[in-house]
Amino acid sequence: IELTQSPGTLSLSPGERATLSCRASQSVSNNYLAWYQQKPGHAPRLLIYHAYSRATGIPDRFSGSESGTDFTLTISRLEPEDFAVYYCQQYGASPLTFGGGTKIDIK
Amino acid sequence: EVQLVESGGTFVQPGRSLRLSCVASGFSFDDYAMHWVRQPPGKGLEWVAGINWDSFLVHYADSVQGRFTISRDNARNSLYLQMERLRPEDTAVYFCAKDKGGSVFFYFDSWGHGTPVTVSS
Repeated sequence: IELTQSPGTLSLSPGERATLSCRASQSVSNNYLAWYQQKPGHAPRLLIYHAYSRATGIPDRFSGSESGTDFTLTISRLEPEDFAVYYCQQYGASPLTFGGGTKIDIK
Repeated sequence: EVQLVESGGTFVQPGRSLRLSCVASGFSFDDYAMHWVRQPPGKGLEWVAGINWDSFLVHYADSVQGRFTISRDNARNSLYLQMERLRPEDTAVYFCAKDKGGSVFFYFDSWGHGTPVTVSS
């Protein structure tokens, strides 16, 4: 399953809303889709799993949604620590696959 | 606290072999599936291989099938990646990642810091 993330880069200011898209090439079984955040020089961190569920310790400004093969990560109000790269990943079928990533940078 | 510590990454010539290791602590290693995920310099994430808790289920990305072998030693809380016939395009940071599940593959809820592999002549 190929995952296409858009946009490639999102330029926003702190306090603004961020909407990141991840489109699957085919249906993702059971909405088995996760979102990760990665900062330079660090390992990725799990944010969302099963398309909607927040991982332990993740603030509620992060939310996930889905509509068919389209998945969305929304950050309601950007905090300074949210500027990073975000990846979606599907685990509904093997091989597991990642999207190409969306970078949120400071406008 | 879950800890995953990778080692074994280095500079290697094309065609050579390399073995990566990941030592786990802070959880019951033999209850969970484990994976290797890599990230080429300046690029995105690529899942490489996964192995379930009892090594019965093993899957690979097409790009490494037949060249890489994932294995685990539950007695040593360790995960391995044997890499053969290395190519320049295998150059990446290799992350060890813990799966949320045990028998089948789900998402990655903990990651190591990664070990860098450079394949070049």
